[in-house]
Amino acid sequence: DADVTQTPRNRITKTGKRIMLECSQTKGHDRMYWYRQDPGLGLQLIYYSFDVKDINKGEISDGYSVSRQAQAKFSLSLESAIPNQTALYFCATSEGSGGATYNEQFFGPGTRLTVL
Amino acid sequence: SQELEQSPQSLIVQEGKNLTINCTSSKTLYGLYWYKQKYGEGLIFLMMLQKGGEEKSHEKITAKLDEKKQQSSLHITASQPSHAGIYLCGADNTGTASKLTFGTGTRLQVTL
Repeated sequence: DADVTQTPRNRITKTGKRIMLECSQTKGHDRMYWYRQDPGLGLQLIYYSFDVKDINKGEISDGYSVSRQAQAKFSLSLESAIPNQTALYFCATSEGSGGATYNEQFFGPGTRLTVL
Repeated sequence: SQELEQSPQSLIVQEGKNLTINCTSSKTLYGLYWYKQKYGEGLIFLMMLQKGGEEKSHEKITAKLDEKKQQSSLHITASQPSHAGIYLCGADNTGTASKLTFGTGTRLQVTL
C-alpha cells in the first residue's frame, strides 16, 4: 500500500464550485505539504503544516484553505474554484522534527484538477 | 526571476550518451534535493546534498554540490530509456529544513 495517498486522482469541476482534495499518510510524519504543479512553473508551495496545530501559508495560498484533521490527514479546499486553478496538485510529507537539518519529502501520486 | 534555475529546460539524448542537468540557487543553499518525476505522476526522491563539494551516486546517476557557486549538477552516465522523465531540484534556503523551493524541472527524453 502507498505511504501517501491522495483522493480523488482526477476531478473535473465547474467555476464557482467548492472542491476538497484529501491527503492521507501512513508514514507517521509530522510535516505535510500541498503543492501545485503547472507546466513550466515547477512546484509551488500552497500550504504546509508541521503538526495539527501549526498551519503555514506558502507562496500561493490565495484562493485555497487547508485543514489538518489529524497527524495523518491534510486536506486542501478550493472555496470557489476558478479556471486558473486547473493544475496537478501534490501532497507531500516529511519527518522533520525539531532541529532537523534534512527535509526529504515523500510525495503522493497527485490529483489532476480541471476547472471549467 | 526564479529563485532556483534549472538548465536545460528540456533535453533529448540518444541511449548510451551522458548528460548533465544543472540547478542554480540565487539564495544560500543549506541543502539540495534531487527528484525524478515520471510524466503526470508523483516525485521520487533521488538524493540529497548538504555539504560543499559533496558528491553522491546512485546507480548511473551522480549529483554534486558546489556550495560557493550555490549550484548542483546531476550527471547521468550511459543514459537508458528508464531515465526519461522530469528531474526537479529542491532547495532548502532556510537553514531550518522547514520547506523546499523547487526548480521548474528538466524534461529528459532518451531516444533509441
